[in-house]
Order: sequence, then C-alpha cells, then structure tokens
Amino acid sequence: SQQGEEDPQALSIQEGENATMNCSYKTSINNLQWYRQNSGRGLVHLILIRSNEREKHSGRLRVTLDTSKKSSSLLITASRAADTASYFCAFINTGGFKTIFGAGTRLFVKA
Amino acid sequence: EAQVTQNPRYLITVTGKKLTVTCSQNMNHEYMSWYRQDPGLGLRQIYYSMNVEVTDKGDVPEGYKVSRKEKRNFPLILESPSPNQTSLYFCATRAFSGQGPYEQYFGPGTRLTVT
Repeated sequence: SQQGEEDPQALSIQEGENATMNCSYKTSINNLQWYRQNSGRGLVHLILIRSNEREKHSGRLRVTLDTSKKSSSLLITASRAADTASYFCAFINTGGFKTIFGAGTRLFVKA
Repeated sequence: EAQVTQNPRYLITVTGKKLTVTCSQNMNHEYMSWYRQDPGLGLRQIYYSMNVEVTDKGDVPEGYKVSRKEKRNFPLILESPSPNQTSLYFCATRAFSGQGPYEQYFGPGTRLTVT
C-alpha cells in the first residue's frame, strides 16, 4: 500500500501546549498537505508544502518536509480546545493524479 | 458560495440492492474524487476523474463504479453492495493542472450501512 503513516495515532494535551504530528510516506511526491477533520465531517485543507520547500508557516501552524527521509511534521503552537480534531497528511504523487492520505492523528486539547 | 454537495447523507440498505451516491460541485473544478473512510485506515481513494469522460481507479475501486458525464457531477455507484462497503464516503474536488492548486474541497460525507 502507498498509504502514508502518521504518528502518534492519538495525542492528548493541555490548552496552551504545542502539538506535533508526524507523517511518513514511501513514494515520490509533488507536494504534501495537511487536513483537519472535525468528528465525521468533511476534511478542511490547512496547509500545503511543495517538494522543494523545507518549512512553511500559517498562523499557529508550522509544517516541515524532509524529502530525504520522506517525512513531514505539523506543529500546532499554543493549542486551544477548538483545535480538538483529527489531522491527516495527504500527498499527491508526482503524476499529480492520485492523492494518498495518512491514517490520521486524533488530537484532544483539554481546556 | 463554493460548495460540494453529497446525497444522501445517510443510507441504510441491504446486500445486493443497487445504490447511487451523488456528488455535485459548483466550482467548475476539473478533478473530482471519491474516498472511503474507515476507522484506523484514514481515507482511501476509490476513483478519481480528471475531467468529463476521464476516470481512473484509485487504491480501492473493487465493487464501485463511477461516471463523469458532466463537469459538475460525479456519482458513485454500488451495483451490488456488500457489508464490507459499510463506510463513510467523501467526495472531493480540486482544480487540475500540473502546477496546482492542489487544495481539495470535501463534501459533508455520506454514511452508508449495508446489512
């Protein structure tokens, strides 16, 4: 399977702490994206990092990409209870046709 | 308002009874895709379409069919549903070009139960 792998599977932290999620993949990619899903709802796009980028920021989100290790991480700083959700990495193969998702990390932020 | 709609949102059916889940988008996107989501497995791509009359298999196409006769619609067809197709299904769309953008827009999901 080409599916990405994410760890941890679940993460529980206190409000104000930082949350880090990791994603690894096996194929060559064009870009890697992170999505958020609230409890069984549709996914919402958070941030995209291209294969020639190493780090990207968006608000409280910081994404890194290491193509030599085929891995990416998502850091959420100063987490809030409203950040409680599942987070998925997704990558598009170099042809740009298929999208492959990781299994997701469930984040729970306690108020 | 940019929108991806799916119908029905919830469906309980019996084994072997053909069903169709519809997906419609108003963003004039070329690329549309169907995913299924199962606990612990994330989202797995079933089929995708790069434009009208152009479709291809994703990672888990067995037991499903799709068609793309119009740009805005991409129905998912289960000719003979089985219990292992019980899942949460998502339709997603994005613009398609070699340079992106790659952000996908997701529908609200269809929860299907096959008994």
